[in-house]
Amino acid sequence: DADVTQTPRNRITKTGKRIMLECSQTKGHDRMYWYRQDPGLGLRLIYYSFDVKDINKGEISDGYSVSRQAQAKFSLSLESAIPNQTALYFCATSDLNLGNTGELFFGEGSRLTVL
Amino acid sequence: AQSVTQPDIHITVSEGASLELRCNYSYGATPYLFWYVQSPGQGLQLLLKYFSGDTLVQGIKGFEAEFKRSQSSFNLRKPSVHWSDAAEYFCAVGYGNKLVFGAGTILRVKS
Repeated sequence: DADVTQTPRNRITKTGKRIMLECSQTKGHDRMYWYRQDPGLGLRLIYYSFDVKDINKGEISDGYSVSRQAQAKFSLSLESAIPNQTALYFCATSDLNLGNTGELFFGEGSRLTVL
Repeated sequence: AQSVTQPDIHITVSEGASLELRCNYSYGATPYLFWYVQSPGQGLQLLLKYFSGDTLVQGIKGFEAEFKRSQSSFNLRKPSVHWSDAAEYFCAVGYGNKLVFGAGTILRVKS
């Protein structure tokens, strides 16, 4: 089984619908992240969490919310999906300060299409 | 602000040929630099990282990268490309608790 698991892997929805992407990890890491990948733009950070009581906005948090239900679970919600939120979403974990010696461990991605 | 530029969106090389993927960064202090690879349908995997010391770092799968402070560059190289190297490659700079990624370079390998 994968260390970082994302569900669903693919989702098609309509404008205005609420969508939740879930992430669970078995690596025992405290730090979890949600990124969005768009062609030609690389990965951009949406939200990150260093523990259950710590939630931080990334560079593109508008239109998104997150919940850290447990050390191993970090979900991303789109309260009212819009077409420009169509993208590939990645959950990632790390056990150290990324700016120093840390490494990100990625899930396989959740492809979201908003019609 | 910290940023990463990967000038090449696509690169095509013949199998067995050498490879160099370019990466330039903008960061005021000593950078922590990474290269990640994304195979089709997969998440990203770390290839190598630079924090300090020797400016030539070795990674997995036969890749290496050289940090050049004077050029603000961290180019990825491989002497002989294999068909399985076809993927998208991302350069990233770390600062504080975050990574900033470049836009990526898609590598195509022709036989």
